[in-house]
Amino acid sequence: NAGVTQTPKFQVLKTGQSMTLQCAQDMNHEYMSWYRQDPGMGLRLIHYSVGAGITDQGEVPNGYNVSRSTTEDFPLRLLSAAPSQTSVYFCASRQPSAGVRQETQYFGPGTRLLVL
Amino acid sequence: KNEVEQSPQNLTAQEGEFITINCSYSVGISALHWLQQHPGGGIVSLFMLSSGKKKHGRLIATINIQEKHSSLHITASHPRDSAVYICAVSRGNYQLIWGAGTKLIIKP
Repeated sequence: NAGVTQTPKFQVLKTGQSMTLQCAQDMNHEYMSWYRQDPGMGLRLIHYSVGAGITDQGEVPNGYNVSRSTTEDFPLRLLSAAPSQTSVYFCASRQPSAGVRQETQYFGPGTRLLVL
Repeated sequence: KNEVEQSPQNLTAQEGEFITINCSYSVGISALHWLQQHPGGGIVSLFMLSSGKKKHGRLIATINIQEKHSSLHITASHPRDSAVYICAVSRGNYQLIWGAGTKLIIKP
């Protein structure tokens, strides 16, 4: 299994540009989420999905859109990039069903985004 | 007040020392997670606890549900243990509540 994959690893954008961060998992997990991580702060939840066709907002959703057309893929879209969106973005997945063991969270390697 | 608090924020120790990182939470939980983030950025899940104690190699995690407290211990610490250690709690739904992390540096 590849686990959770993210592309790209690095990206530089100009203010106002749009882009999509890709995330895919091959573990058939129901739950997927996007976090951003800023210096000195913990991970903050942007959006999450509990299954194909179902998404919801997290703690810091403004400026981001998501969709979940398949179980495997959960792309994050920046519609009009702003310098405040400079951050490291992590995608994660897990299967929170019966059994504590299945709550283990798996993370992608992260995408470093710089908005100028 | 944050629902999940970690201490210390930063910790520097010499190789070989016994390390303890603490996590306190103020909400009811179904499980507590310890994760490790290396300087390269990748995040790895170390432990998930709902009670008692777990051990993996030189890492030991304990949780006291009554006191709403968990500790992560590292025995015989090594420079390769240098990383940010993150505590997070789940509340039986899909979302996790995250601590801010503890930055650990082990000097040779």
